[in-house]
Amino acid sequence: SAVISQKPSRDICQRGTSLTIQCQVDSQVTMMFWYRQQPGQSLTLIATANQGSEATYESGFVIDKFPISRPNLTFSTLTVSNMSPEDSSIYLCSVVPQHNEQFFGPGTRLTVL
Amino acid sequence: AQSVAQPEDQVNVAEGNPLTVKCTYSVSGNPYLFWYVQYPNRGLQFLLKYITGDNLVKGSYGFEAEFNKSQTSFHLKKPSALVSDSALYFCAVREVHSGAGSYQLTFGKGTKLSVIP
Repeated sequence: SAVISQKPSRDICQRGTSLTIQCQVDSQVTMMFWYRQQPGQSLTLIATANQGSEATYESGFVIDKFPISRPNLTFSTLTVSNMSPEDSSIYLCSVVPQHNEQFFGPGTRLTVL
Repeated sequence: AQSVAQPEDQVNVAEGNPLTVKCTYSVSGNPYLFWYVQYPNRGLQFLLKYITGDNLVKGSYGFEAEFNKSQTSFHLKKPSALVSDSALYFCAVREVHSGAGSYQLTFGKGTKLSVIP
């Protein structure tokens, strides 16, 4: 298994500002992902965080809005830029360490006013 | 494209009774199937997975799920529900293939399970 921590656990932000969410894993993992869970909704994949190269974004998500860094195999950041109330969600980091199991971090609950 | 359907938004069951949370899936090839649980204000916790082999998969906290290929279903079950099982349950699917997108999970909308004392 993998132990994943995220910072911050929650935040309340003003419209137009940006927030950077950190994800730390206790072991080196190749595959790391960022998901969004909007209120009352299921999880949607934002992007795959690739170590040493640009992230791979899913349809509907762009780098200017959700820039991602992956400086090494245990750490990644997701920035939510120029926030609006529609960005209020839980943002989850996820990894696949081995054996096809995918683990999720505790999530960052973001509220945009 | 892959998809997951959880037809019930909410399932209510009395404590001690068996519970079933339904899930059906659609993939063009063979599936990897997963169940996750989300407690209030918590992240997702892995419950169990089907990759290959026995159709009946046993997981954490006494849960099990049965893979039925002909019905494209992967229903979650537990013989005797506990009040502490009350949470949001997500079914997820990933198609078995290689490539950059091979680890992308598609989630169902979730089913809220309420176990009544």
